Amino acid sequence: GDSVTQMEGPVTLSEEAFLTINCTYTATGYPSLFWYVQYPGEGLQLLLKATKADDKGSNKGFEATYRKETTSFHLEKGSVQVSDSAVYFCALSDDNQGGKLIFGQGTELSVKP
Amino acid sequence: GAGVSQSPRYKVTKRGQDVALRCDPISGHVSLYWYRQALGQGPEFLTYFNYEAQQDKSGLPNDRFSAERPEGSISTLTIQRTEQRDSAMYRCASSLAYGEQYFGPGTRLTVT
Repeated sequence: GDSVTQMEGPVTLSEEAFLTINCTYTATGYPSLFWYVQYPGEGLQLLLKATKADDKGSNKGFEATYRKETTSFHLEKGSVQVSDSAVYFCALSDDNQGGKLIFGQGTELSVKP
Repeated sequence: GAGVSQSPRYKVTKRGQDVALRCDPISGHVSLYWYRQALGQGPEFLTYFNYEAQQDKSGLPNDRFSAERPEGSISTLTIQRTEQRDSAMYRCASSLAYGEQYFGPGTRLTVT
């Protein structure tokens, strides 16, 4: 079945460092890809998405490009802030399966001042 | 406007008791999803509804778990004869048809 694998955390960075969180997926169809973020004490929020190959999703300085050839959707940010400390989840959904989300295990990011 | 709400936010129950978890979706949202999240893991799909119809319950772990959405709005996830392995965060999300899913704050269930 479909699955998502993302790099294990925790990831600890200094403020203004470059961030990459790797995500790869396995899917039989043509899924949409998502990054969700969970800030401490809060619920899951959609950070960005891409619905087809070569699409780039972006939001709040974060970017991810849907790479069909490498089945990847890596999350990047050029300069992280302390306020970016959170758990990040990569996910996919396939409309043929009703839109249910399949999540990776999450990557905890801690940004130090 | 109001987001997805879930109640209770925290539930502690003894092994063998039944629990009912409630989800109140965003008004007008057609689809409603239930997920379960163990500590340190990503959410895992349980079941989903379009309007009042349960479209997919393939993620429900066993027959102790059931869900309903009788009027196409509020949904209840019921766990019968709870076991310690049922302890987790239970998350509900709603969306327009095949749209972005908006998540509620979750219900933290602890079975002692």
